[in-house]
Amino acid sequence: QQQVKQSPQSLIVQKGGISIINCAYENTAFDYFPWYQQFPGKGPALLIAIRPDVSEKKEGRFTISFNKSAKQFSLHIMDSQPGDSATYFCAAEQAGTALIFGKGTTLSVSS
Amino acid sequence: GAGVSQSPSNKVTEKGKDVELRCDPISGHTALYWYRQSLGQGLEFLIYFQGNSAPDKSGLPSDRFSAERTGGSVSTLTIQRTQQEDSAVYLCASSRDRYGYTFGSGTRLTVV
Repeated sequence: QQQVKQSPQSLIVQKGGISIINCAYENTAFDYFPWYQQFPGKGPALLIAIRPDVSEKKEGRFTISFNKSAKQFSLHIMDSQPGDSATYFCAAEQAGTALIFGKGTTLSVSS
Repeated sequence: GAGVSQSPSNKVTEKGKDVELRCDPISGHTALYWYRQSLGQGLEFLIYFQGNSAPDKSGLPSDRFSAERTGGSVSTLTIQRTQQEDSAVYLCASSRDRYGYTFGSGTRLTVV
């Protein structure tokens, strides 16, 4: 039973373009939704996170859009750069438990 | 230390042997997590320690897997009678609260 579904599995974007990664969840008790970025040989690192009381959060070129009624959230990377090439994981959590991660999206930004 | 430290970084073991993987969390972080990362499978939750509470072991895939956390700090994940399907990267993370896990770089386990 996959609690957090992430798509696409892989994504190729041209430099300067917009990268969009989508996630859907089923458990309405989830109340914290972070995105993690992972480079080869490294552990994932927190990129940006949102709580369900807001519909959007922006930090620099990274934006999370959150749709509570649809139980979906997405990561938008504006002006994508080759340095953004990495694997991105969405995750969700309810209080008292550990994060549940999606299966990841491998992003390649071509120069 | 400044980050989460995992050792060894790589481990090759023969099928049927036991292995121990170590995690040193960030000082002061009360929560510690173990995840397994297999190719194309994302991060699979294994076990979660929070302070002195009983650990959440709901993600351990079989009774061959166990973990302990001594003195609220260092944790050891033990896999007994390793199988080829246990080959993966084992990641440890710690956090001060529920927001913002800090991950180590992982232990790559290969069972031959």
